[in-house]
Amino acid sequence: EAEVAQSPRYKITEKSQAVAFWCDPISGHATLYWYRQILGQGPELLVQFQDESVVDDSQLPKDRFSAERLKGVDSTLKIQPAELGDSAMYLCASSLGRTGTQYFGPGTRLTVL
Amino acid sequence: AQSVSQHNHHVILSEAASLELGCNYSYGGTVNLFWYVQYPGQHLQLLLKYFSGDPLVKGIKGFEAEFIKSKFSFNLRKPSVQWSDTAEYFCAVTTAGNNRKLIWGLGTSLAVNP
Repeated sequence: EAEVAQSPRYKITEKSQAVAFWCDPISGHATLYWYRQILGQGPELLVQFQDESVVDDSQLPKDRFSAERLKGVDSTLKIQPAELGDSAMYLCASSLGRTGTQYFGPGTRLTVL
Repeated sequence: AQSVSQHNHHVILSEAASLELGCNYSYGGTVNLFWYVQYPGQHLQLLLKYFSGDPLVKGIKGFEAEFIKSKFSFNLRKPSVQWSDTAEYFCAVTTAGNNRKLIWGLGTSLAVNP
C-alpha cells in the first residue's frame, strides 16, 4: 500500500537554528498538505499545495516558515529561526485532488531547546 | 465560523464494552465527514468517511459511524472494544464553504483496559 513518506522522524534543535522537513506524497497525488499538531489537539493546516502552487497558506507564519514544492511532487517545509513554541509534530498529507481523502505520513517530531 | 466538537476528551473502557464517541459540526450545507485514528507512536489513519448515500458508514476494524443531518452529528461506534483500540480519535469535516479544508475536532483519547 502506497504511503506518504516523511523525514526525519525526529529532530532536536536549538532555538534560532534553521530546520527543514521533507515529504514525499503518494504517487499521483496532486494535493499536498503540511500540518502542525500540538499534543492533545487536532492538526492545524499550515499550507496546502495543488501541484507546485500554494492554494492556502493563511495559517503559515511567513516571517519564519516557508514551504516549497518546486516540481509538484515532493515538498520541503523550513523554519528559520526556530523558536521554543515551534516544538510540535509536523505532518504531511496528500490527496488525489482538493476534495479527496487525505492520507497522512508518520510526521516529524520537532523539539526546540 | 465552522467548527467540530468532540464531546468526550478522555474515555476509559474495559475490553468488550461498547463505544460511542460524539462528534458534532456547525455548518448547514453539504459536508464530507471523516473519522481518523492515531495509535500510539503511529501516524493518522482514516477509519471511515461519509460523502453521500447510506448515512450508516462502516469502516475498518469493526468501527461504524452514523450521519444524522438533523442533529449535525457523526458519532463513531463500536459494539465491543479491544485493548488494541487504545488510541486518539479525531473527527473532521470538510465543507463547500471553506474550500474543502479539513476542520478538526480536538480529539478523544480512548484507553481500553484489558
